[in-house]
Amino acid sequence: GAVVSQHPSRVICKSGTSVKIECRSLDFQATTMFWYRQFPKQSLMLMATSNEGSKATYEQGVEKDKFLINHASLTLSTLTVTSAHPEDSSFYICSALLLSSYNEQFFGPGTRLTVL
Amino acid sequence: GQQLNQSPQSMFIQEGEDVSMNCTSSSIFNTWLWYKQDPGEGPVLLIALYKAGELTSNGRLTAQFGITRKDSFLNISASIPSDVGIYFCAGPNYGGSQGNLIFGKGTKLSVKP
Repeated sequence: GAVVSQHPSRVICKSGTSVKIECRSLDFQATTMFWYRQFPKQSLMLMATSNEGSKATYEQGVEKDKFLINHASLTLSTLTVTSAHPEDSSFYICSALLLSSYNEQFFGPGTRLTVL
Repeated sequence: GQQLNQSPQSMFIQEGEDVSMNCTSSSIFNTWLWYKQDPGEGPVLLIALYKAGELTSNGRLTAQFGITRKDSFLNISASIPSDVGIYFCAGPNYGGSQGNLIFGKGTKLSVKP
């Protein structure tokens, strides 16, 4: 099956620093990847759609200058949380879209971000 | 906008019991997806449904795409402890880009051995 990895799985950082999270599709190419945020006991909330070779599309209320997305290759998208604050602490999950007649999304294992 | 209502919010059952959960949509879907999320992990696709009335099984799991195309249910038979987790339904977000999904709020399943 299609496998998506994320790195790191867990990160703790100080307030004001930036954190980069990588999302890789390991055995397929993904022109589209998605970034979600999940707070405790809540569902997944789409933050942005990452498109290879073009700018990401951000959902309403998500600051594009704070959450920088780069999708430089067909297998890698990165999310950088800039000037992180404690309220950015969350579980960040990416997914990669496998283009077919069914257009299925395959999810990464998630990254737990804790901002002190 | 589109909304998915998933119920129940949580379930506490005894090992061996059957489980049923469902989702309803405010709009017609052409796809229903059911995911399971273990604690600290990303969601894993369990079953995908693409036709109204379709009934699909994956081991002890069975899901159906409602005839009205506005609902779907997921059944788990003879539950075991490893069924514990949060189950999400999802469907296409027609207001978003290709492949964009909208998720239900999840059903948290607890299984007592």
